[in-house]
Amino acid sequence: AQSVSQHNHHVILSEAASLELGCNYSYGGTVNLFWYVQYPGQHLQLLLKYFSGDPLVKGIKGFEAEFIKSKFSFNLRKPSVQWSDTAEYFCAVNGNNRLAFGKGNQVVVIP
Amino acid sequence: EAGVAQSPRYKIIEKRQSVAFWCNPISGHATLYWYQQILGQGPKLLIQFQNNGVVDDSQLPKDRFSAERLKGVDSTLKIQPAKLEDSAVYLCASSYSGTAGSTDTQYFGPGTRLTVL
Repeated sequence: AQSVSQHNHHVILSEAASLELGCNYSYGGTVNLFWYVQYPGQHLQLLLKYFSGDPLVKGIKGFEAEFIKSKFSFNLRKPSVQWSDTAEYFCAVNGNNRLAFGKGNQVVVIP
Repeated sequence: EAGVAQSPRYKIIEKRQSVAFWCNPISGHATLYWYQQILGQGPKLLIQFQNNGVVDDSQLPKDRFSAERLKGVDSTLKIQPAKLEDSAVYLCASSYSGTAGSTDTQYFGPGTRLTVL
């Protein structure tokens, strides 16, 4: 079964700072990769996803993620965060038709 | 388009009581999922339905948890009897097909926050 690791569970940064959240997974087969976001008081929603092709994926709100197959990683980045990016971010991996989530990163952006 | 609906939003019960949660997926979505999200963790799949058949229930504690999806639309998840460690948010999600190797996105509902005292 696949597993997902997310580090630095709590991240605090100032507006305009750059954000990078790490995601590593373990699964030997073909995977589909996702980042979900949960804003305060809202439900989980898709930020971006990777299935095949260009390993650099662009999502909503200026986020992007890069799939590095050799490192089993799918890190999320945003060059300049805003206060409205305060949320919890979850990396998820779909292998063998089951979606496995990491523990999440709680990101707080200070105005 | 309407999203995934869940009710109730909050539930507080005492241990050994039973509880049921309801989910209405996005119209036309064949696959429905129930997840358990314990505080500080990511969601964990409990059960996956495709239409009204169970695809994966390997992580469902079947001695106390049960779920059904009659007519391939709405679904209910039941816990009987509840334990303290069942305190969590129960999320329902749906996707268009969910077949093996599918690239479908799962759409999540707002969840039901269960507190077991």
